[in-house]
Amino acid sequence: EIVLTQSPATLSLSPGERATLSCRASQSVGSFLAWYQQKPGQAPRVLIYDASNRATGIPARFSGSGSGTDFTLTVSSLEPEDFAVYYCQQRFNWPLTFGGGTQVEV
Amino acid sequence: EVQLVESGGGLVQPGGSLRLSCAASGFTFSPFWMHWVRQGPGKGLVWVSHINGDGSSIGYSDPVKGRFTISRDNAKNTVYLQMNSLRAEDTAVYYCGRAGSGGAFDIWGQGTMVTVSS
Repeated sequence: EIVLTQSPATLSLSPGERATLSCRASQSVGSFLAWYQQKPGQAPRVLIYDASNRATGIPARFSGSGSGTDFTLTVSSLEPEDFAVYYCQQRFNWPLTFGGGTQVEV
Repeated sequence: EVQLVESGGGLVQPGGSLRLSCAASGFTFSPFWMHWVRQGPGKGLVWVSHINGDGSSIGYSDPVKGRFTISRDNAKNTVYLQMNSLRAEDTAVYYCGRAGSGGAFDIWGQGTMVTVSS
């Protein structure tokens, strides 16, 4: 099973600041990595798929990069609605796995 | 509107069974791979099971293998998760998700809560 390790666990920032979230895989997942945002009481929402492709309707302030074992989600300038938990997920092989999440808080 | 709506959750005793349903609308259901993902209270997301468009490819996570069964009815635009021999550690919100662009889960249901307790 591929283990995804997200860091930091919590990121304390202010609106307007840049957020940089990391996801490290225990073995290469190629570019088969997605990022999701989840707010309390809501289902997750996909932000990025295949490491760097923004999903439909996702603002340009969200960007993804990386390949192999190291990936980054960047939010260029945090808006109030961006404070949430973010998860990475790999689809390189079975079982599909998620990282433990990074909470972005004010 | 493209949406998934889960139902069937509830309170069940250890060893009991439940069947979850996920009804799709607003898109052509049959070509899409569908998944179940769960989230324990205060915990992260955990993939549970998948089924491809015609049901010929099915998979499970190890903790549920042999106890859970996924199926779909393309005529009813619905995917199911039959859960048997439930344990306390199966307590979670269960989401169904559609695998869309790049295989990511692009559509999620609102989730249905399953509580296993005596």
